[in-house]
Amino acid sequence: QQPVQSPQAVILREGEDAVINCSSSKALYSVHWYRQKHGEAPVFLMILLKGGEQKGHEKISASFNEKKQQSSLYLTASQLSYSGTYFCGTEPEMTSGTYKYIFGTGTRLKVLA
Amino acid sequence: DTGVSQDPRHKITKRGQNVTFRCDPISEHNRLYWYRQTLGQGPEFLTYFQNEAQLEKSRLLSDRFSAERPKGSFSTLEIQRTEQGDSAMYLCASSLAGSAQETQYFGPGTRLLVL
Repeated sequence: QQPVQSPQAVILREGEDAVINCSSSKALYSVHWYRQKHGEAPVFLMILLKGGEQKGHEKISASFNEKKQQSSLYLTASQLSYSGTYFCGTEPEMTSGTYKYIFGTGTRLKVLA
Repeated sequence: DTGVSQDPRHKITKRGQNVTFRCDPISEHNRLYWYRQTLGQGPEFLTYFQNEAQLEKSRLLSDRFSAERPKGSFSTLEIQRTEQGDSAMYLCASSLAGSAQETQYFGPGTRLLVL
């Protein structure tokens, strides 16, 4: 039931683009994206709510396709500081009163100079 | 710095000992979460509070784990009779329930090593 992220790992050169996908088996209400550097806590990047809106944050943007139960994170013109592990956090549409926020499997991204 | 603090940042203990961790959330946040994370894995939900009420506890959490949030502000997570398998990063996060885009802000974590 854990959301599956792809790719598992990616290596980029500075300035290159990358796409990270997060796929859930459940209908989603929201998707959150986080970046975590080694030995540090996850840092919130953005949240997408049901409705398919696309959001942007400098050179990092994301989309949410609720029909496909999938979200994608787009990193453009990557910088060295983008290196880290990216996690999606998903909240299902129907929670039945229990906590169902689950993190994805993670994508390790390394940007080389 | 997200405004969520955790103490201690590192803890080394011997198997069988008890340990307690503290989390201070962002002051206006009414929800507080505890997660456990092992190397290469995403955070795994342990429990969460809304104000002082513990609303849910993961079925993965054994009876050796207990958490409190006595006044709806800071929280403590205690692990009794620690085992080597408890070695992990313990993360705390807080959020404001009812906000339009509820976001969890994480603290720096407490890294536990059980010898």
